[in-house]
Amino acid sequence: GDKVKQSPSALSLQEGTNSALRCNFSIAATTVQWFLQNPRGSLINLFYLVPGTKENGRLKSAFDSKESYSTLHIRDAQLEDSGTYFCAAEGPNTNKVVFGTGTRLQVLP
Amino acid sequence: NAGVIQTPRHKVTGKGQEATLWCEPISGHSAVFWYRQTIVQGLEFLTYFRNQAPIDDSGMPKERFSAQMPNQSHSTLKIQSTQPQDSAVYLCASSSDRVAEQFFGPGTRLTVL
Repeated sequence: GDKVKQSPSALSLQEGTNSALRCNFSIAATTVQWFLQNPRGSLINLFYLVPGTKENGRLKSAFDSKESYSTLHIRDAQLEDSGTYFCAAEGPNTNKVVFGTGTRLQVLP
Repeated sequence: NAGVIQTPRHKVTGKGQEATLWCEPISGHSAVFWYRQTIVQGLEFLTYFRNQAPIDDSGMPKERFSAQMPNQSHSTLKIQSTQPQDSAVYLCASSSDRVAEQFFGPGTRLTVL
């Protein structure tokens, strides 16, 4: 089932613009991870979050466990940001994570 | 730190043959996870081990699939009598005791003809 819903499913951005990706959870998520899957297929760790926010360069992420969602903000998008972004939620009493369906991002020059 | 190592990177088998996929977790990590990625199903959890003990195999197909972790430095995923629908990228991840953040290997692309 759709325990982790990601939106949008696809997105095109002009270089230098900003955007936000979102994950909504129907499970009681305790932690959230965000990954970028590059064109070679490798999953690159972006953020690991307990409830709260983190920032790393042009990326910022927030996780609200009470409202059951997480966001990933991309500022000043660059061509190398292109790829598929996945969020993954860890439920209570388990270490396995449930992945969202991904957001395919294309940054255009 | 070499990260999670998976071998082979690509494997092609004929229908009915056996496939064994290998994963070497990051040194010192106590948990190893297996996932499968397809276009249709996305990223699906298969099974995981902690300190070499199987913890949760709820995502494993009931037949033909098995996973083992004989020592702390490697885990294997074995698929017997492979079928075309087993074609996928199989991903292995590991995490430490202190922090549950998972780090993924490059995956093994299995193609069953």
